[in-house]
Amino acid sequence: AQSVAQPEDQVNVAEGNPLTVKCTYSVSGNPYLFWYVQYPNRGLQFLLKYITGDNLVKGSYGFEAEFNKSQTSFHLKKPSALVSDSALYFCAVRDLGYNKLIFGAGTRLAVHP
Amino acid sequence: GAGVSQSPSNKVTEKGKDVELRCDPISGHTALYWYRQRLGQGLEFLIYFQGNSAPDKSGLPSDRFSAERTGESVSTLTIQRTQQEDSAVYLCASSYLAPGGELFFGEGSRLTVL
Repeated sequence: AQSVAQPEDQVNVAEGNPLTVKCTYSVSGNPYLFWYVQYPNRGLQFLLKYITGDNLVKGSYGFEAEFNKSQTSFHLKKPSALVSDSALYFCAVRDLGYNKLIFGAGTRLAVHP
Repeated sequence: GAGVSQSPSNKVTEKGKDVELRCDPISGHTALYWYRQRLGQGLEFLIYFQGNSAPDKSGLPSDRFSAERTGESVSTLTIQRTQQEDSAVYLCASSYLAPGGELFFGEGSRLTVL
């Protein structure tokens, strides 16, 4: 069965510094990987996805993520954090043979001025 | 509508009552998902519908939970004999049929069981 882990409950970053939110996954085949963001009292918004091809995926709001097959990771990154990036971030994985999308527990990103 | 619509947005009920939550997916989306999000926690998969195929009910926590969807239209999630631990935000999402298709989420239905 597929699973996804986000090892950090919270990440604290100063505005202007680079940020990384970690995600590792486990699937039986090739994964489809996603990142979503949830702002306070809002629904989830899609940020980016990896399906195939280039391991570095670029998404909304300047975010990017790097797929690493050997480490089974899909870390979310941004070169320069903004206070407005503060939110709850979820990594999700779908196994090629399955249709349901499984989410990690979420990582709260706090960007300080 | 342009997005996934859920109703009610807020529901307060007494323990033991039945509740019904509604989801109206994006037109043309063949896949529909229900997730539960308890306060401060991640998304818990409940059920997945794909067209007229048998739904994947593997995430439903007990037989008090059930869901229906007619074709590619509206879905309803029913919780019978509600318990306080059912209090959560229930999120609905829809997508195109494709492994790489991203989910579009509604704003959720916040359920509080007193």
